[in-house]
Amino acid sequence: QKEVEQDPGPLSVPEGAIVSLNCTYSNSAFQYFMWYRQYSRKGPELLMYTYSSGNKEDGRFTAQVDKSSKYISLFIRDSQPSDSATYLCAMKVTGGGNKLTFGTGTQLKVEL
Amino acid sequence: EAQVTQNPRYLITVTGKKLTVTCSQNMNHEYMSWYRQDPGLGLRQIYYSMNVEVTDKGDVPEGYKVSRKEKRNFPLILESPSPNQTSLYFCASSSWTVGTYNEQFFGPGTRLTVL
Repeated sequence: QKEVEQDPGPLSVPEGAIVSLNCTYSNSAFQYFMWYRQYSRKGPELLMYTYSSGNKEDGRFTAQVDKSSKYISLFIRDSQPSDSATYLCAMKVTGGGNKLTFGTGTQLKVEL
Repeated sequence: EAQVTQNPRYLITVTGKKLTVTCSQNMNHEYMSWYRQDPGLGLRQIYYSMNVEVTDKGDVPEGYKVSRKEKRNFPLILESPSPNQTSLYFCASSSWTVGTYNEQFFGPGTRLTVL
């Protein structure tokens, strides 16, 4: 079993929709939870990170972490065609270097 | 512009022919790392370096070597490439401060095909 599970999609939504992307994990030592966005033929870029449990909002993006359920989510409000990309969740433990454990990514397409 | 650069971006080679993928960062970061990305497996860490002359294995180090002789450079060496090393490779770097979050910045990727 993988440490981090993520539905690969693809997920297709109309412009303006609310998008929900999710990951589950098994390692209870994970304390940092990240969401990366990866456009085609580009490297991943950090969207936002959360430490431990709770919510974090940045513009149209909201990240949620539920450590009791080992479940994290990224919500995108008012989705735009420019949001079409692959979204990767990533996690790390406190200490132990800076190794990130990634989900496999969810491919999102926002259609006009 | 702060960035991580990789060269080459695309490479097709044959089994057994030694190759090096270069990685360079201009942010004075202590930490550098190599990942490979494969369908259905996500990004997996190959090797990492906490500072000059300090390197260690990640999750999938077999068949790879690295060196860190200068702070800004972290080349990935495949001494005898095999077809199972066909993948998309990413270099990443970050500052390194214990006990805090250190954002990793990724390069644009190198797509390697080994025939």
